[in-house]
Amino acid sequence: ETGVTQTPRHLVMGMTNKKSLKCEQHLGHNAMYWYKQSAKKPLELMFVYNFKEQTENNSVPSRFSPECPNSSHLFLHLHTLQPEDSALYLCASSQDQTRGDTQYFGPGTRLTVL
Amino acid sequence: GDSVTQMEGPVTLSEEAFLTINCTYTATGYPSLFWYVQYPGEGLQLLLKATKADDKGSNKGFEATYRKETTSFHLEKGSVQVSDSAVYFCALSTGNQFYFGTGTSLTVIP
Repeated sequence: ETGVTQTPRHLVMGMTNKKSLKCEQHLGHNAMYWYKQSAKKPLELMFVYNFKEQTENNSVPSRFSPECPNSSHLFLHLHTLQPEDSALYLCASSQDQTRGDTQYFGPGTRLTVL
Repeated sequence: GDSVTQMEGPVTLSEEAFLTINCTYTATGYPSLFWYVQYPGEGLQLLLKATKADDKGSNKGFEATYRKETTSFHLEKGSVQVSDSAVYFCALSTGNQFYFGTGTSLTVIP
């Protein structure tokens, strides 16, 4: 499945580092999403972009900063993270944000904050 | 608010056993309902979906029926295989938001 790709697949960073996660979708979709997946917790929606405009920000700390330069690319910039931010970060895309649209997920970036 | 509740895991079954994973939802409108599957080290993949009441989604031998009267979307498979071992997520969409359950881990032993 190469519809949604994410890089890097694994990332280890210290609390003072700055890094970025990249997501690219090859499906011609208009909406893109960042989720956080932690053990034994539901997927947490972080950000939503539709036609490059941010439509949702679910009270995410400012140490996470999204960027959507076009409908195919989505970044998550990370700085001054905490160990509790260690998780699997998943990117997804959908045609639009209508009720029946399926979200297609990338493989995720496994982030470890030391 | 809108939400999804699915049965706690983990679930362990022998090969060829019957599988049911329960999912119920709460929604103010008319959501679409989904089942996603996550294999180890991978992202979520759509397994099946239903967009209106009484619709049945099916794929790879899995089925689920959108029951508005019981607000349920239970996942079933008549005969599981070892390759079905994964984590299964029930989800609903109202358009603006997607809500996922906590996931149910399934292990199928030979």
